[in-house]
Amino acid sequence: DIAVSQSPDSLAVSLGERATINCKTSQSVLYSSNNRNYLAWYQKKPGQPPKLLTYWAATRDSGVPDRFSGSGSGTDFTLTISSLQAEDVAVYYCQQYYNTPHTFGQGTKLEIK
Amino acid sequence: EEQLVESGGGLVQPGGALRLSCAASGFNFSKYWMIWVRQAPGKGLEWVANIKEDGIVRYYVDSVRGRFTISRDNAKNSLYLQMNSLRAEDTATYYCARGGYSVWGQGTLVTVSS
Repeated sequence: DIAVSQSPDSLAVSLGERATINCKTSQSVLYSSNNRNYLAWYQKKPGQPPKLLTYWAATRDSGVPDRFSGSGSGTDFTLTISSLQAEDVAVYYCQQYYNTPHTFGQGTKLEIK
Repeated sequence: EEQLVESGGGLVQPGGALRLSCAASGFNFSKYWMIWVRQAPGKGLEWVANIKEDGIVRYYVDSVRGRFTISRDNAKNSLYLQMNSLRAEDTATYYCARGGYSVWGQGTLVTVSS
């Protein structure tokens, strides 16, 4: 199984400031035949299902604000929130879907400083 | 509106069984892989199983293989998860999701306790 780890486990950022969350996979999730990274990011709030933010590492899902951006390739990825809003308080997860099981990282709790 | 609605959760004793259902609407169910993901209280997300459009190809996480069975009925636009030999560590909110993970249900809570 591909292991997925995130850093940090928790993060406090001031409103309007940048938040950066890192994700590392135990093997490359870049599929050479289509040059796509099989990596997604989710936002999870209590009592709600996960919300897909980005897929293919950097493609924002429909309706996701452009302050959310994903980057990276191979085994190292980043989710950046360019200007933190109050509604962004949540736990963020990355997930690889290169191989089953489609493993998730342990999550990063984002709070307001 | 694309929608998934889970049902079937509840309290069950260790060693017991439960069948979860997920009703799909607003999209062509038979054209998508479907997935079950769970979240134990206070823990992270765990991918459980998925099933191909044809209902034949299925994959499971090691911790449930041999105890859980994912299935689907494309005529009824429904996804299922038969859970046998339940353990305390299976206690979680179970979510169904559409292939691509852009559509999720609200989840159903399964509690395994005596």
